[in-house]
Amino acid sequence: AQSVTQLDSQVPVFEEAPVELRCNYSSSVSVYLFWYVQYPNQGLQLLLKYLSGSTLVESINGFEAEFNKSQTSFHLRKPSVHISDTAEYFCAVKGTGGFKTIFGAGTRLFVKA
Amino acid sequence: DAGVIQSPRHEVTEMGQEVTLRCKPISGHNSLFWYRQTMMRGLELLIYFNNNVPIDDSGMPEDRFSAKMPNASFSTLKIQPSEPRDSAVYFCASSFGRDNQPQHFGDGTRLSIL
Repeated sequence: AQSVTQLDSQVPVFEEAPVELRCNYSSSVSVYLFWYVQYPNQGLQLLLKYLSGSTLVESINGFEAEFNKSQTSFHLRKPSVHISDTAEYFCAVKGTGGFKTIFGAGTRLFVKA
Repeated sequence: DAGVIQSPRHEVTEMGQEVTLRCKPISGHNSLFWYRQTMMRGLELLIYFNNNVPIDDSGMPEDRFSAKMPNASFSTLKIQPSEPRDSAVYFCASSFGRDNQPQHFGDGTRLSIL
């Protein structure tokens, strides 16, 4: 079985500041890791994913996440946020051979001008 | 490519009425998931199907909830009778296969039970 813990429920940050959204997971099997983003009145969208290989993965809009196996973490970072990054971010884990994705409780990112 | 399509986008009905939510997954995807999202409980997995067969319905809250997938391109989630505590946003998602494939979500149905 897998579980996901997102350590912050809300993160307020000023525009152009860096941000880190924290995610820890636990699993008895190897996992695939994902970050999804949800904008208001929309469904979740895939932001980035770690499957294998390089532990640093990047999205097209400047976010990156680093898989740390020893710390069982997959924190999401962006060096400079924009107002448009205001959304809820979900960390998720999927065990190898499984159908189901386990989602964290979400972190609301508020970017202030 | 068309994404996951859900209908209706909004539904307002009175307590006791039957509610049917509909979902068309992405063509070629063989897994389908129904979720419920509320402020209090967050995102909850209700049920999921693989190749049109229900695999795990342990998240369905009560016998008032039922879900079907008669073919690869259509699924329904039904609530009968509905209650005010069923008010939530219901999402359908689909994916291809197991392991490393992400889920693709629809835009949800916002359900209000008066």
